[in-house]
Amino acid sequence: LAKTTQPISMDSYEGQEVNITCSHNNIATNDYITWYQQFPSQGPRFIIQGYKTKVTNEVASLFIPADRKSSTLSLPRVSLSDTAVYYCLVGGPNNAGNMLTFGGGTRLMVKP
Amino acid sequence: NAGVTQTPKFQVLKTGQSMTLQCAQDMNHNSMYWYRQDPGMGLRLIYYSASEGTTDKGEVPNGYNVSRLNKREFSLRLESAAPSQTSVYFCASSGVAGNSYEQYFGPGTRLTVT
Repeated sequence: LAKTTQPISMDSYEGQEVNITCSHNNIATNDYITWYQQFPSQGPRFIIQGYKTKVTNEVASLFIPADRKSSTLSLPRVSLSDTAVYYCLVGGPNNAGNMLTFGGGTRLMVKP
Repeated sequence: NAGVTQTPKFQVLKTGQSMTLQCAQDMNHNSMYWYRQDPGMGLRLIYYSASEGTTDKGEVPNGYNVSRLNKREFSLRLESAAPSQTSVYFCASSGVAGNSYEQYFGPGTRLTVT
């Protein structure tokens, strides 16, 4: 399994754009990059997934450079409700559950 | 749709007691998973079931057993609880297309073993 490294914590202010970078130097050819969000006392929630280049949905954007050794989750104009832990995961396209390894995540604190 | 439901929400056990955590999903998903999350840590996979009738060990299976009762239900059993099993337990499921990245999580069960 590819190991991921992301900052332990980040602070931001309401209305700012937040970029959280994850490094995954050992990513395999078949691996996808997935980000989850977790609020206190809740289970994680899927945010976005990508393989290469850029993916955008109604919540976030995911930027993946050509070498795929890192990825950046971009949250536009954050609000207080975006305060959460964000997990970067890397895994292959099969149905085996053990490919999802949640590291420590990045604790994002959004301040007024 | 209720999504993924778990019971109970909270449980306190004494060392050596047994209990079963229940999980059900109504999204017709093939795959289901059990994770544990210790304070301030990420989630660790205990067991998973890729489809009805199959189960496999994850990262931390010792001290647990699972049963995939049918497509909807996946239970986790602690035969002899230990204080080290104090944690929050999450059940999850993923869709029929084989995309196990998009897992849907339940609300969790907070278990304390004294």
